[in-house]
Amino acid sequence: LAKTTQPISMDSYEGQEVNITCSHNNIATNDYITWYQQFPSQGPRFIIQGYKTKVTNEVASLFIPADRKSSTLSLPRVSLSDTAVYYCLVGGSDYKLSFGAGTTVTVRA
Amino acid sequence: NAGVTQTPKFRILKIGQSMTLQCTQDMNHNYMYWYRQDPGMGLKLIYYSVGAGITDKGEVPNGYNVSRSTTEDFPLRLELAAPSQTSVYFCASSQNQGAGANVLTFGAGSRLTVL
Repeated sequence: LAKTTQPISMDSYEGQEVNITCSHNNIATNDYITWYQQFPSQGPRFIIQGYKTKVTNEVASLFIPADRKSSTLSLPRVSLSDTAVYYCLVGGSDYKLSFGAGTTVTVRA
Repeated sequence: NAGVTQTPKFRILKIGQSMTLQCTQDMNHNYMYWYRQDPGMGLKLIYYSVGAGITDKGEVPNGYNVSRSTTEDFPLRLELAAPSQTSVYFCASSQNQGAGANVLTFGAGSRLTVL
């Protein structure tokens, strides 16, 4: 089970880019890296998933170096509505999916 | 397509009472999970299931029981409620996309208070 480490919190301003790095030193060969977003009083929702290099979708980009021991979620031009907790999850081959503490991102006007 | 449905949304229990949190998914997902989230904290895995008839313990299983008699349903039972079980409970499901590539779909949560 790959343990993940993220910063506890990050502050930003509207229109800036936010980059959150997650460390997962013991990631297994078959593991994918998945990021979730959670608003207060809601369940987490999927943002993006990747295995290596770079993945981009309409809301975020995910950068994964060759050694895959870390990953960086990039949120371009954040708005107030991006204020949330972001979780990095490394997929376990035994399907025992455990979350870390997450990163609270606060976007200010 | 409702996704993952949890009931009840809110519940207050007295110490020692029992109850079952219901979770149903209509996506024909193989894998189902129960998490709890205490105020200001991350999610802790209670139990999970990789298919009907198969369940396994997560990080914090004590005080809970689960069953998986059908693909759709994954109820979580609290036998003797304690104040330490006051939390928000989330059920999630995922499809087998190959090892390590599961994407979780979460329910809206069930807020439980034990007094």
